[in-house]
Amino acid sequence: DAMVIQNPRYQVTQFGKPVTLSCSQTLNHNVMYWYQQKSSQAPKLLFHYYDKDFNNEADTPDNFQSRRPNTSFCFLDIRSPGLGDAAMYLCATSRAGTGEAFFGQGTRLTVV
Amino acid sequence: GENVEQHPSTLSVQEGDSAVIKCTYSDSASNYFPWYKQELGKRPQLIIDIRSNVGEKKDQRIAVTLNKTAKHFSLHITETQPEDSAVYFCAAGGQGAQKLVFGQGTRLTINP
Repeated sequence: DAMVIQNPRYQVTQFGKPVTLSCSQTLNHNVMYWYQQKSSQAPKLLFHYYDKDFNNEADTPDNFQSRRPNTSFCFLDIRSPGLGDAAMYLCATSRAGTGEAFFGQGTRLTVV
Repeated sequence: GENVEQHPSTLSVQEGDSAVIKCTYSDSASNYFPWYKQELGKRPQLIIDIRSNVGEKKDQRIAVTLNKTAKHFSLHITETQPEDSAVYFCAAGGQGAQKLVFGQGTRLTINP
């Protein structure tokens, strides 16, 4: 009965090689978020979608892009991963008006 | 934008004692304050939340208090158990499901 599903759980990519992380949800929530979490740090919001409206954080590097083709799916594209992009990437969803965010299991990205 | 400060960064208590973690926030428009527990390698899990129209909320051994005037909120865990050991994050946001901003986290260790 997983509600927010991230694939893959672990991803190894080469330095500079584009990589895509995926997130799907069965909650029909209209808001989806991507967070980056490095070891022992707080989750850092990269961007979020409110329905189809994309909201980018001011300090999110251009190297990070996102797509939301429909309500259920959201993708994180890293165009040219650097060593500093190695982290856990967390997808979350919420229903507008409630505030509560539901997190996926995360994708741990390693850059070699 | 919102800024959330969390203290302490690490906390060690004896099993059975109480633990208190404190957070302050900067944006007076924030009206939703969740607390997440994150075990090593796992997703953040919501353990309790409070909204701005409430001053205190309790769920078994966990309670949260909110002081909107002072812009601070606290997590209280009573009768701590070894399974309470984890990293705890506070967050602040708007109920309109705009972004949640996380505190830096507190690593709680319960000593048997």
